[in-house]
Amino acid sequence: EAQVTQNPRYLITVTGKKLTVTCSQNMNHEYMSWYRQDPGLGLRQIYYSMNVEVTDKGDVPEGYKVSRKEKRNFPLILESPSPNQTSLYFCASRHRAGGGEQYFGPGTRLTVT
Amino acid sequence: GENVEQHPSTLSVQEGDSAVIKCTYSDSASNYFPWYKQELGKRPQLIIDIRSNVGEKKDQRIAVTLNKTAKHFSLHITETQPEDSAVYFCAASRDRDDKIIFGKGTRLHILP
Repeated sequence: EAQVTQNPRYLITVTGKKLTVTCSQNMNHEYMSWYRQDPGLGLRQIYYSMNVEVTDKGDVPEGYKVSRKEKRNFPLILESPSPNQTSLYFCASRHRAGGGEQYFGPGTRLTVT
Repeated sequence: GENVEQHPSTLSVQEGDSAVIKCTYSDSASNYFPWYKQELGKRPQLIIDIRSNVGEKKDQRIAVTLNKTAKHFSLHITETQPEDSAVYFCAASRDRDDKIIFGKGTRLHILP
């Protein structure tokens, strides 16, 4: 089954404790992105990757890191989480830029206290 | 920076009536405009999309129109049904990279 998976689905952590949210897709998509969703603000792109070892900043990259060492995986790293990073995070992938359906993962709800 | 404005933020329509959601974008290089539907507690899912070389696209009860000159695009849902209740997001992206800008969403309520 074609899908994007994220782990964990729910995470409660404390300020400053490094964490990683994993994302994996099995559709051989070149493009992958991370978004955060906050009430009233919609979906905002954090980082995107157009290929292995190629990543670029989206609209809200501050406080986040990503890596793309393999085509299928695109982890999101919060080196020192802060309460303002409490949000719902979605990973997504698609086959080509500028077109083609973007497939979203199930989401990760992160709470930073 | 680039942005996408979406209106209205909330929309209530009687079941069976039509709903229209409008978006404007600022980046003239944008050439792909998808619409996503997000039901409560679920992930966004693509419902229809349009590229800049097309003015209108229809899929059953859903249609999207694009005015590239005015940088406007709209979602039209006809004969609305209770299952159309959800949050709808428009977005704009371009061919040269994978940067995607979303609107802030429209919460659509279908009234019985």
